[in-house]
Amino acid sequence: GENVEQHPSTLSVQEGDSAVIKCTYSDSASNYFPWYKQELGKGPQLIIDIRSNVGEKKDQRIAVTLNKTAKHFSLHITETQPEDSAVYFCAASIIDGGTSYGKLTFGQGTILTVHP
Amino acid sequence: GAGVSQSPSNKVTEKGKDVELRCDPISGHTALYWYRQSLGQGLEFLIYFQGNSAPDKSGLPSDRFSAERTGGSVSTLTIQRTQQEDSAVYLCASGGYRLYEQYFGPGTRLTVT
Repeated sequence: GENVEQHPSTLSVQEGDSAVIKCTYSDSASNYFPWYKQELGKGPQLIIDIRSNVGEKKDQRIAVTLNKTAKHFSLHITETQPEDSAVYFCAASIIDGGTSYGKLTFGQGTILTVHP
Repeated sequence: GAGVSQSPSNKVTEKGKDVELRCDPISGHTALYWYRQSLGQGLEFLIYFQGNSAPDKSGLPSDRFSAERTGGSVSTLTIQRTQQEDSAVYLCASGGYRLYEQYFGPGTRLTVT
């Protein structure tokens, strides 16, 4: 089955700096890669996702890049703010078409701390 | 609009007892997923429901775990004869038109003593 490795496990940055979290996956058939943010006591929140037919996607201060050949994808957060502090999870899934489902295999999570 | 809701938020039970955990998906969402989050195992898929299709139960860890979804909406996850290793946060997620886009509830923290 799919295996997703996520690094680093903890990341500490100063407010305004950039943060990068990296994930690798094992199953070349995986084609959907979401990122989730989880705050203490809450469920994971979908923040951005990418499908394998694109190499990069941006949404304001966050971006995700995908390298299918190397089987890795990364989350980039620019101009970090204290409210970005949370646990971030990457995940991978295989979806067959525009509306089909895919059970997610998650990375181990990264604790991001942004210091004011 | 309202998100995914789960109840109870916390549950403490004695080893050997049965527990039921409830999930109310986002209105109109036809896909429903259960995951388990624990320190040792991270986030693990348990089961998936979509419409009237047979559920994907491939992630259930043992036959003590079962789930049902009544009327295509509310789902209940049942754990029989609970063990200490069942202690975890049980998360429910639902998906709408894009079934794979999963929106999570706050979870139920289960503690087995």
